[in-house]
Amino acid sequence: GDSVTQMEGPVTLSEEAFLTINCTYTATGYPSLFWYVQYPGEGLQLLLKATKADDKGSNKGFEATYRKETTSFHLEKGSVQVSDSAVYFCALSATLGGWGKLQFGAGTQVVVTP
Amino acid sequence: DVKVTQSSRYLVKRTGEKVFLECVQDMDHENMFWYRQDPGLGLRLIYFSYDVKMKEKGDIPEGYSVSREKKERFSLILESASTNQTSMYLCASSATSGANVLTFGAGSRLTVL
Repeated sequence: GDSVTQMEGPVTLSEEAFLTINCTYTATGYPSLFWYVQYPGEGLQLLLKATKADDKGSNKGFEATYRKETTSFHLEKGSVQVSDSAVYFCALSATLGGWGKLQFGAGTQVVVTP
Repeated sequence: DVKVTQSSRYLVKRTGEKVFLECVQDMDHENMFWYRQDPGLGLRLIYFSYDVKMKEKGDIPEGYSVSREKKERFSLILESASTNQTSMYLCASSATSGANVLTFGAGSRLTVL
């Protein structure tokens, strides 16, 4: 079945450092790919998405490119802030239908220190 | 501001009790979902619903049931709570036309003693 694997955390960074969170997936067909973020005490919210190969999703300085050849969707940010401390989830949706039935990775906690 | 509201943020129940977790969305979304979140396991789908009175099992439905009598409301029921159901429960909704984007509630943290 479909699955998502993302790097384990916690990832601890200093402010203004470069952030990369690796995400790879296994799926049949052409899934859509997502990054969701969960700030402390809150539910998940969509950070960015990509629906086809070579698409780049971007939001709030974060970027991720849908790489079909490597089945990856790595999240990057060039200069993190303390406010980026959160848990980040990579997810995919099935090619056909699904309507929000997503498969999530285990989540990666990011801690940014001043 | 559009919302998914989970009525209880924190609950403490005893083993064997019946537990109701309520979720209401105000976006007129067709689809609603219950996920369970555990450290190191990410989110796992318990049940989902594509329409009123319809329900589908997710990946881990054992020990749970759901009810969707109205479009905006999706309830998760633990018929007889057990300690291994201690977890964070997240409700979400999506529009059928919404490119699989989920809107989540803030979560309900359930502790079963």
